[in-house]
Amino acid sequence: DAGITQSPRHKVTETGTPVTLRCHQTENHRYMYWYRQDPGHGLRLIHYSYGVKDTDKGEVSDGYSVSRSKTEDFLLTLESATSSQTSVYFCAISELSTGNTEAFFGQGTRLTVV
Amino acid sequence: GDSVTQMEGPVTLSEEAFLTINCTYTATGYPSLFWYVQYPGEGLQLLLKATKADDKGSNKGFEATYRKETTSFHLEKGSVQVSDSAVYFCALRGSSYKLIFGSGTRLLVRP
Repeated sequence: DAGITQSPRHKVTETGTPVTLRCHQTENHRYMYWYRQDPGHGLRLIHYSYGVKDTDKGEVSDGYSVSRSKTEDFLLTLESATSSQTSVYFCAISELSTGNTEAFFGQGTRLTVV
Repeated sequence: GDSVTQMEGPVTLSEEAFLTINCTYTATGYPSLFWYVQYPGEGLQLLLKATKADDKGSNKGFEATYRKETTSFHLEKGSVQVSDSAVYFCALRGSSYKLIFGSGTRLLVRP
């Protein structure tokens, strides 16, 4: 299994509070992604990174920010959590080389905003 | 932008039945295509992939062929088992760095 660790695995937080989710990899992969999974919507891309300090928005980036100061860590921050951000969050990592384009996923973080 | 459309579920089959889950895509250039599987309470695992037109990906009895002319990558299995019950996601990786997923199809296989 690819070395990807998401923390925390579960979190309950109150509306309006900031929350940071962490994704840590030991594979030295260049690309890292944050997705949210909701019933009926599949996986939707929030933000992604293509290198240290290089990030870009996905399709549902409003209300989220990210940072990548080291290759191995990709942080997702909810600046002021809302109930609509209750979801399961998945981190993924990937390389981009001939014959090796797939992504590997973490186990997910279940976030509940009350 | 790039997108993936897959058939809505749930798909309910009896054990040993034939499975098809349809997936079509929109992308510029020549994307790589993937099927991922998610078992209850777990993250996503790569099931199979194809990186160019006419490639056939296969794994654990599942197959999918990259059809550029119809922009499709349908998942098939000749004889499903109860243990195949899961959610299946079609995905593509195009000319950008993004990995785009379909909405997922839940498969339920009854004994």
